[in-house]
Amino acid sequence: EDQVTQSPEALRLQEGESSSLNCSYTVSGLRGLFWYRQDPGKGPEFLFTLYSAGEEKEKERLKATLTKKESFLHITAPKPEDSATYLCAVGRGGSTLGRLYFGRGTQLTVWP
Amino acid sequence: DAGVTQSPTHLIKTRGQHVTLRCSPISGHKSVSWYQQVLGQGPQFIFQYYEKEERGRGNFPDRFSARQFPNYSSELNVNALLLGDSALYLCASSLDRTNTEAFFGQGTRLTVV
Repeated sequence: EDQVTQSPEALRLQEGESSSLNCSYTVSGLRGLFWYRQDPGKGPEFLFTLYSAGEEKEKERLKATLTKKESFLHITAPKPEDSATYLCAVGRGGSTLGRLYFGRGTQLTVWP
Repeated sequence: DAGVTQSPTHLIKTRGQHVTLRCSPISGHKSVSWYQQVLGQGPQFIFQYYEKEERGRGNFPDRFSARQFPNYSSELNVNALLLGDSALYLCASSLDRTNTEAFFGQGTRLTVV
């Protein structure tokens, strides 16, 4: 069964303390891996799409990487405004094209 | 440029009632997908519509239905509401069926009492 697992469930960092979030997946026919940021009570905000192992993308303090089994979201020198839930999702081809399978997310808190 | 807009933002309904949620995609986007997000969980896929046709359906009962209009806006309908239907309902739009970059609205918070 397709599965997306994110770890840790929650992460508390001091401002400036870099760390990584993990997303592991067991999906056949991976079409893409997606990272989103979600603030409380809001819809997910698109961050990155990764398509193949070895690919990396960066945006401000965030860098996403992809291997054949997992993806990492690296946060460098985080600030309190980076506090949010980070969601990972995967997309498949074939009959489920267009459907995104989400993990439960990692709740990140950055304190001053 | 307007993003994905959903209405209403909040809704309280009684068990057994019917609800209609609405979504307007980003201009030029032809695909609309609906997701249900229960507190503490990731979004769960309900439907995808592309070019006004249903292109995918998740594991939800027949009480859930949707449609897409000629202007690509969409409605999600839920009949015979149950307490367990309480959730944040999210609409996502993308240019095409692949959802390569799917952009979400702010969601509709549905509470069933």
